[in-house]
Amino acid sequence: GQQVMQIPQYQHVQEGEDFTTYCNSSTTLSNIQWYKQRPGGHPVFLIQLVKSGEVKKQKRLTFQFGEAKKNSSLHITATQTTDVGTYFCAGPIHGGSQGNLIFGKGTKLSVKP
Amino acid sequence: DSGVTQTPKHLITATGQRVTLRCSPRSGDLSVYWYQQSLDQGLQFLIQYYNGEERAKGNILERFSAQQFPDLHSELNLSSLELGDSALYFCASSTGELGGAEGYTFGSGTRLTVV
Repeated sequence: GQQVMQIPQYQHVQEGEDFTTYCNSSTTLSNIQWYKQRPGGHPVFLIQLVKSGEVKKQKRLTFQFGEAKKNSSLHITATQTTDVGTYFCAGPIHGGSQGNLIFGKGTKLSVKP
Repeated sequence: DSGVTQTPKHLITATGQRVTLRCSPRSGDLSVYWYQQSLDQGLQFLIQYYNGEERAKGNILERFSAQQFPDLHSELNLSSLELGDSALYFCASSTGELGGAEGYTFGSGTRLTVV
């Protein structure tokens, strides 16, 4: 079945270092969304990418959607302790409503001050 | 506060029992989604309702059912509970049927522990 895979599963960085998480889908996606879940919290929507090759920035966060629309990445420049959490990518379930998302298992980021 | 309200926050119950989780979507949102989050399976889509009607089903067990009421709040019913049903259950809402550029708004979840 359809899969959305994320690597790495865990990432430990020193504050100030950069961080990147990668998302790969087994199927072409019409769009991809990214969410952040703080420890003990709930997922919070960050962004949606729609176009092939699209790049969007939110302050220190850079999101990319691959040319084939099967992969995506999230890059954080100069991490801060407030970046701690699990980052999920999600795409529409193949053959289902565009609103139903399949989530990757996430990349858990820890930042050492 | 995300605007999506889930109750209760915590629930501890015994195997074989039945529980009901409740969700009130963000004001104006017509779509409600239920997800199960466990450590090994991540976020698993269970079911979606839009304006009172079931729109899609995911990996929802036959022991589980849900509905959305005219006031748009939704309930997820879990019956004949097993130890493996212990998880965090999230409700999310969105404005339209298709999620859209605003994404989902998640509630704070209900942590279910089956003992």
